[in-house]
Amino acid sequence: GQNIDQPTEMTATEGAIVQINCTYQTSGFNGLFWYQQHAGEAPTFLSYNVLDGLEEKGRFSSFLSRSKGYSYLLLKELQMKDSASYLCAPVGYNFNKFYFGSGTKLNVKP
Amino acid sequence: NAGVTQTPKFQVLKTGQSMTLQCAQDMNHEYMSWYRQDPGMGLRLIHYSVGAGITDQGEVPNGYNVSRSTTEDFPLRLLSAAPSQTSVYFCASRGTGNTEAFFGQGTRLTVV
Repeated sequence: GQNIDQPTEMTATEGAIVQINCTYQTSGFNGLFWYQQHAGEAPTFLSYNVLDGLEEKGRFSSFLSRSKGYSYLLLKELQMKDSASYLCAPVGYNFNKFYFGSGTKLNVKP
Repeated sequence: NAGVTQTPKFQVLKTGQSMTLQCAQDMNHEYMSWYRQDPGMGLRLIHYSVGAGITDQGEVPNGYNVSRSTTEDFPLRLLSAAPSQTSVYFCASRGTGNTEAFFGQGTRLTVV
């Protein structure tokens, strides 16, 4: 099984930077995915980390520490459209079983 | 370029009724999964399949059946609907290797 822990909700201001943390315990490890989900919509892929370190993709970056069972998603220059839930999904030895954390709801205010 | 298509988008059932949620993908993906998402919660894995003819249980399989007769289709059957199955259901597919999942637009199911 897997234990995945994310903060339930966060609030940040437009233009700011926010970091969303995810800690996990898995049986084996085959990488970690981050997804974005706007209210009433399907999740969409944001990033994938399999090696330690930071992966940057435009305003979004994702960090992984395998030894600590820890990842974060960094969102820069926040925009109102970034208000959404962010789901962490570490993949264990059975990469066919794709589990998600409960998600962090991010509220971006003007 | 349809991707993952789910039908219906909305459904209301009475307790005890049965129904099938449809999921089809046109990306020739081997892996397909069904999730449910309850208000304020993340996605919970119901069943998944690694190819035609092969299915397995996820976290919350009770009350649901699946089959995978073709690569494209992965229907989810509710045998006897219960109010506890009121949820939004998402189907997802993935290619081979550790690739990202693509999701359908969801089916909002209410059991009264």
